[in-house]
Amino acid sequence: EAGVAQSPRYKIIEKRQSVAFWCNPISGHATLYWYQQILGQGPKLLIQFQNNGVVDDSQLPKDRFSAERLKGVDSTLKIQPAKLEDSAVYLCASIPMVASGYNEQFFGPGTRLTVL
Amino acid sequence: QKEVEQNSGPLSVPEGAIASLNCTYSDRGSQSFFWYRQYSGKSPELIMFIYSNGDKEDGRFTAQLNKASQYVSLLIRDSQPSDSATYLCAVDYGQNFVFGPGTRLSVLP
Repeated sequence: EAGVAQSPRYKIIEKRQSVAFWCNPISGHATLYWYQQILGQGPKLLIQFQNNGVVDDSQLPKDRFSAERLKGVDSTLKIQPAKLEDSAVYLCASIPMVASGYNEQFFGPGTRLTVL
Repeated sequence: QKEVEQNSGPLSVPEGAIASLNCTYSDRGSQSFFWYRQYSGKSPELIMFIYSNGDKEDGRFTAQLNKASQYVSLLIRDSQPSDSATYLCAVDYGQNFVFGPGTRLSVLP
């Protein structure tokens, strides 16, 4: 079974530029998460999708961040314009649709963003 | 506001010792609890989960959960240098996960 795919793995941009990240979850996984992990901190949820609907985007800075999962499969996270404090690793994770039991998240390798 | 706290690190233990990592959470509505290991520059990988009060053992790892005290811990027996990593505690509130800040563990040869 292929894992969660993310691209690019690394990105360096100037502040005020735009950037987009792509995530393809494990096949059949209904729920997809985008996390921001700043160096030395735990992952912070940005947005949670179930299929193509948003479940939670309460911590997404909507003035500059946007995300979509149009067909309920892969997803794109965009930052426009980027700020210095957006430098972080952006992690994508997914879980299958489960009726009970524990929900193990499967993480992608992450995209390391550096804003100069 | 759902919060997850972990003991501040870094935590250093000698090889072969027991490493004890602690986590507390603020909301009693949590359903299950996870410990992830994250090596530098890598993404988190699941090492243990627990959802019932008591202990759960898996090899050298033991997770302990006390819902009344809102406390979950991870013990690593016979610590190895390869266990040196950041350990993240995560709490599941019905497919909504909240992570702690992590505790960095160093196992000294």
